[in-house]
Amino acid sequence: DAGVTQSPTHLIKTRGQQVTLRCSPKSGHDTVSWYQQALGQGPQFIFQYYEEEERQRGNFPDRFSGHQFPNYSSELNVNALLLGDSALYLCASRRQGTEAFFGQGTRLTVV
Amino acid sequence: QKEVEQDPGPLSVPEGAIVSLNCTYSNSAFQYFMWYRQYSRKGPELLMYTYSSGNKEDGRFTAQVDKSSKYISLFIRDSQPSDSATYLCAMSSPQGAQKLVFGQGTRLTINP
Repeated sequence: DAGVTQSPTHLIKTRGQQVTLRCSPKSGHDTVSWYQQALGQGPQFIFQYYEEEERQRGNFPDRFSGHQFPNYSSELNVNALLLGDSALYLCASRRQGTEAFFGQGTRLTVV
Repeated sequence: QKEVEQDPGPLSVPEGAIVSLNCTYSNSAFQYFMWYRQYSRKGPELLMYTYSSGNKEDGRFTAQVDKSSKYISLFIRDSQPSDSATYLCAMSSPQGAQKLVFGQGTRLTINP
């Protein structure tokens, strides 16, 4: 079992650019959530996808959007990047009613 | 006030010591409680998952939940240098079950 896989591992972008991060859930999992973890902080919930729809959203602006595909994989898109968007972006997957497992994250640096 | 408060440490103890990590929370709707371990530049790894009040033991790890005090703990017995990591508490409610609310994380170092 490959677990939750995220790509790319690291990414450097310029302010104002757009970025797409990808996540493949653990086998058997149908729900994907995205989190942002700033340095020295705990992860902050961005949003969660189930059955290809956004089901719940945290306190993040509309610049953050996502998508879930029929195979349960997911993308996180961030538009008009700001320096403050630099963080570790984590994807977590679960089956309904079970605990969440996290991927290794994508480290995004905005310069 | 944050929904979940966790002392960021850092906490440094000698090998073999018993470690106690704690979180307090303010949302009485939280019923699912988790502890994650995160090594530097890695994703969080689930250690313990508990529902409601009580204790749960798994090897050297014991998770304790006191809902009346809105307080959860993780105890590590016979601590090893490999336990050195950041420990994150997380919790969720039945209504917001898809959203985990994390503490800031406690950075723990076990000295040989």
